[in-house]
Amino acid sequence: AQSVTQPDIHITVSEGASLELRCNYSYGATPYLFWYVQSPGQGLQLLLKYFSGDTLVQGIKGFEAEFKRSQSSFNLRKPSVHWSDAAEYFCAVGLFGNEKLTFGTGTRLTIIP
Amino acid sequence: EAGVTQSPTHLIKTRGQQATLRCSPISGHTSVYWYQQALGLGLQFLLWYDEGEERNRGNFPPRFSGRQFPNYSSELNVNALELEDSALYLCASSLLTAGGTTDTQYFGPGTRLTVL
Repeated sequence: AQSVTQPDIHITVSEGASLELRCNYSYGATPYLFWYVQSPGQGLQLLLKYFSGDTLVQGIKGFEAEFKRSQSSFNLRKPSVHWSDAAEYFCAVGLFGNEKLTFGTGTRLTIIP
Repeated sequence: EAGVTQSPTHLIKTRGQQATLRCSPISGHTSVYWYQQALGLGLQFLLWYDEGEERNRGNFPPRFSGRQFPNYSSELNVNALELEDSALYLCASSLLTAGGTTDTQYFGPGTRLTVL
């Protein structure tokens, strides 16, 4: 069965520290990959996406993610977090022709001063 | 450019009633998707509409239904509400590419449905 795993339910980092959020997927083919962010009570905002090509993708707010086919991973990174980055982050995958997105369970990010 | 809009923001119903949620896609987008975000269950795909037709459906009972109008806006109807239907319902929209596949899904702010 197709699945998306975000192994970290909650991560706490200090403001200014680097961040890496993990995402692994299990699919029969290379899927489309996305990271979304959700602030409390809000909808989802797209951070970045990977469809094909360069495996290191840049997104908004200084985020980047690297697709590693051999590890079935699409980890999200940011070199220096800001207090405004505190939110819940969702990794999602989709398949060509299927169109629905399958989401991971999310990682809640807390920023401490 | 206006994003995806949803109404109402909050909806309170009692068990057994019907709920209607509405979504307006980004201008030019023809595909609309509905997702349920329930506590403890994460984000689950409900329905996908494109050009007025239902294209795909998630693992939800038939009392979850919807439609897409000629202007590409969409309604989600939930009949015979149950307590476990309480959730944030998110709508997303996307373009259909020249190759016939859909592009990135952009989400609205959601409708919070509470069933008492």
